[in-house]
Amino acid sequence: GDSVTQMEGPVTLSEEAFLTINCTYTATGYPSLFWYVQYPGEGLQLLLKATKADDKGSNKGFEATYRKETTSFHLEKGSVQVSDSAVYFCALSAGSTNAGKSTFGDGTTLTVKP
Amino acid sequence: DGGITQSPKYLFRKEGQNVTLSCEQNLNHDAMYWYRQDPGQGLRLIYYSQIVNDFQKGDIAEGYSVSREKKESFPLTVTSAQKNPTAFYLCASSISGARQETQYFGPGTRLLVL
Repeated sequence: GDSVTQMEGPVTLSEEAFLTINCTYTATGYPSLFWYVQYPGEGLQLLLKATKADDKGSNKGFEATYRKETTSFHLEKGSVQVSDSAVYFCALSAGSTNAGKSTFGDGTTLTVKP
Repeated sequence: DGGITQSPKYLFRKEGQNVTLSCEQNLNHDAMYWYRQDPGQGLRLIYYSQIVNDFQKGDIAEGYSVSREKKESFPLTVTSAQKNPTAFYLCASSISGARQETQYFGPGTRLLVL
């Protein structure tokens, strides 16, 4: 079945440091890939997404590129801020036989210190 | 403003009791989902619905039931058969359930067992 493997956390960085959170996936067909962010006590919200190979999703300084050859969708940001502290989830949504079903990674907790 | 509302924010269940979590959306979305989130883990799909009066089991449907009588509402009942119900429950929706669509999440309900 489909699966998502995320870099284990927690991750602690100083403000303005470079961030990478690794995400690899296993899926049949051509999934869409997502990064969602969850702030304490809240639901998830979309950070960025990519729907086909070589697409780059970007938002609020975060980027991720859909790499079919390495089945990866790593999240990066050049300079993190304290306000980026949250839990980040990588997710995929598979093809027509599983329409509507997404698979989520376990989440990576990021703490940014001033 | 359009969005998803979940109520209550906290819910307490006594042993042997069924409890119902509310989820309402005014986004005019056809697809709705229920997820369970346990500490340090990703989201696991309980049930999903892509159209009124139809719903499908997710990966962990045992001990749960749903209904979809109206497009905007997708209540989840946690039955007494669910032996370990303590978790954070998230409701989400998307336009039609297609794989490339973003899911929009509610703020969640935390269920605790007395």
